[in-house]
Amino acid sequence: QKEVEQNSGPLSVPEGAIASLNCTYSDRGSQSFFWYRQYSGKSPELIMSIYSNGDKEDGRFTAQLNKASQYVSLLIRDSQPSDSATYLCAVTGPIKAAGNKLTFGGGTRVLVKP
Amino acid sequence: ETGVTQTPRHLVMGMTNKKSLKCEQHLGHNAMYWYKQSAKKPLELMFVYNFKEQTENNSVPSRFSPECPNSSHLFLHLHTLQPEDSALYLCASSQGARETQYFGPGTRLLVL
Repeated sequence: QKEVEQNSGPLSVPEGAIASLNCTYSDRGSQSFFWYRQYSGKSPELIMSIYSNGDKEDGRFTAQLNKASQYVSLLIRDSQPSDSATYLCAVTGPIKAAGNKLTFGGGTRVLVKP
Repeated sequence: ETGVTQTPRHLVMGMTNKKSLKCEQHLGHNAMYWYKQSAKKPLELMFVYNFKEQTENNSVPSRFSPECPNSSHLFLHLHTLQPEDSALYLCASSQGARETQYFGPGTRLLVL
């Protein structure tokens, strides 16, 4: 079983619609959860971080975390063509003082069509 | 994002060459990381350094040799690489445990 799983897509979304991305993880002790966006040929850039159960909103993005069900999701409202990218879910294990092992999912490719 | 820089941005090398990748972070972070990203594969963590000490080696072949002289600089020394080592190599840094990792632009490596 993969540690962090995402649907590879592509997820095709009309411009202006809501894109919904899901991620499941296997380590029940995971503490921190991140969504990164990666454009083709570029490095990942952070969109959202979430640490507690519930929703966290930042502009057009909402992250949702459910630790009991071991999933984290990302909603993109009013999708724009510039949102077309691969979205990476990343999860850390239990807290440890020495650094922060981040495990990435394979990413979901999102295509926003005008 | 200019907080984490990497050089070179592109590198072509033969299997007998020796080269080094450099990463520098200007964010005052304590932890630095090397990742490998191959086509159609998830990002793979290679090494973790915290306060200049290596805390994680994710079963990386010895032809990859990391060096962290201080909390701001991280190197990846390459020797006798194989064509399958061709990938995007990403450096990241973070303040510490649970903190967000910020990525550099990456080095696109091609091994011939």
